[in-house]
Amino acid sequence: EAEVAQSPRYKITEKSQAVAFWCDPISGHATLYWYRQILGQGPELLVQFQDESVVDDSQLPKDRFSAERLKGVDSTLKIQPAELGDSAMYLCASSANRDSYGYTFGSGTRLTVV
Amino acid sequence: AQKVTQAQTEISVVEKEDVTLDCVYETRDTTYYLFWYKQPPSGELVFLIRRNSFDEQNEISGRYSWNFQKSTSSFNFTITASQVVDSAVYFCALSEAGGGADGLTFGKGTHLIIQP
Repeated sequence: EAEVAQSPRYKITEKSQAVAFWCDPISGHATLYWYRQILGQGPELLVQFQDESVVDDSQLPKDRFSAERLKGVDSTLKIQPAELGDSAMYLCASSANRDSYGYTFGSGTRLTVV
Repeated sequence: AQKVTQAQTEISVVEKEDVTLDCVYETRDTTYYLFWYKQPPSGELVFLIRRNSFDEQNEISGRYSWNFQKSTSSFNFTITASQVVDSAVYFCALSEAGGGADGLTFGKGTHLIIQP
């Protein structure tokens, strides 16, 4: 079964450092999403791409977070500088189109900022 | 703005009991999608079901069933004859269909504990 690949699986970083996460969606999926899930909460959408274009980044803290999907395939989410409150699970998801039966989520990157 | 409320933070039942997880949503759109996901301790989100706002038929899949009622803005999930493997956090989510942005709005989740 096709999967959404994410790396690294775990990341520990010191506050004020830069950190990056990578996501490779299911082949052929045009839509890619990044979500942040704080412990004990539901995931919250950070950014949505349609191919290489940003569709929605209204919840992305743009002073420190950036996301790109240069060739419309894999994507990178960066935080610089990291803050203690950024500790969370970062989940990537993809879908073929908006009528797809369900989004497929990756296993996530667990970030701990110390 | 859209909102999903899962009022039950944690539910604990004994194996083989039936259990219902509640989900209430708010949206101004007439066309939207509702989802349920399961998140086991390993952390990945497992897709369970998607319903669109025009399909109010209840659905059954094995031990799982879903009751969608637009009149009360609810999309409840029932597990019949629960098993220990059903222990997980369950999330209800909503996606509005208007425009190009269709990210999910999740509830806070219900932690389901099935005791042997």
